[in-house]
Amino acid sequence: QKEVEQNSGPLSVPEGAIASLNCTYSDRGSQSFFWYRQYSGKSPELIMFIYSNGDKEDGRFTAQLNKASQYVSLLIRDSQPSDSATYLCAVISFSSGSARQLTFGSGTQLTVLP
Amino acid sequence: SQTIHQWPATLVQPVGSPLSLECTVEGTSNPNLYWYRQAAGRGLQLLFYSVGIGQISSEVPQNLSASRPQDRQFILSSKKLLLSDSGFYLCAWSGGAGGSYEQYFGPGTRLTVT
Repeated sequence: QKEVEQNSGPLSVPEGAIASLNCTYSDRGSQSFFWYRQYSGKSPELIMFIYSNGDKEDGRFTAQLNKASQYVSLLIRDSQPSDSATYLCAVISFSSGSARQLTFGSGTQLTVLP
Repeated sequence: SQTIHQWPATLVQPVGSPLSLECTVEGTSNPNLYWYRQAAGRGLQLLFYSVGIGQISSEVPQNLSASRPQDRQFILSSKKLLLSDSGFYLCAWSGGAGGSYEQYFGPGTRLTVT
């Protein structure tokens, strides 16, 4: 069974610090990796995706992928109180074929303290 | 640009009543479509997905059903609601065959079964 694991948190960081969110996955056939942000009561919003090993940067966000170790992480630099949300890690595996089903982790709750 | 709509936004229904939730996507053709449920404080559970008109795959056996009568319309239904059907229902789309892998979510429908 494919699994995606995240620390549920809560993770608290002071404003301006770097927030580091981690995710591990069990299916070595996983090919695509996504980070979603979900504010309380709202739907998930895609913030980053990464397909290849290494780092991918977009503004204050950096996604890191290590397929050999089966983990993906999200770094948020210069954290702001508006970054306070639940961050969901999601994975697509080759076996899902054309359906491209996402397997989600349970999410990490991040709080950025002013 | 692509837009995804869901309605209604909120719904309160008695146990045993029928259900119909609708999702439509604009600005794309031949999308993959997905229905998820998120129980309070829980992760996302994939309920159904569709890779084309009339093609529905179920991930979790339950009293819910889905239909895709048009390319960009996805409907979630039930003949008789259970208390356990309460939750946040999310529709999502991604590119179909040859398209992008990322999934984008609609605003969701919050269902309370009383």
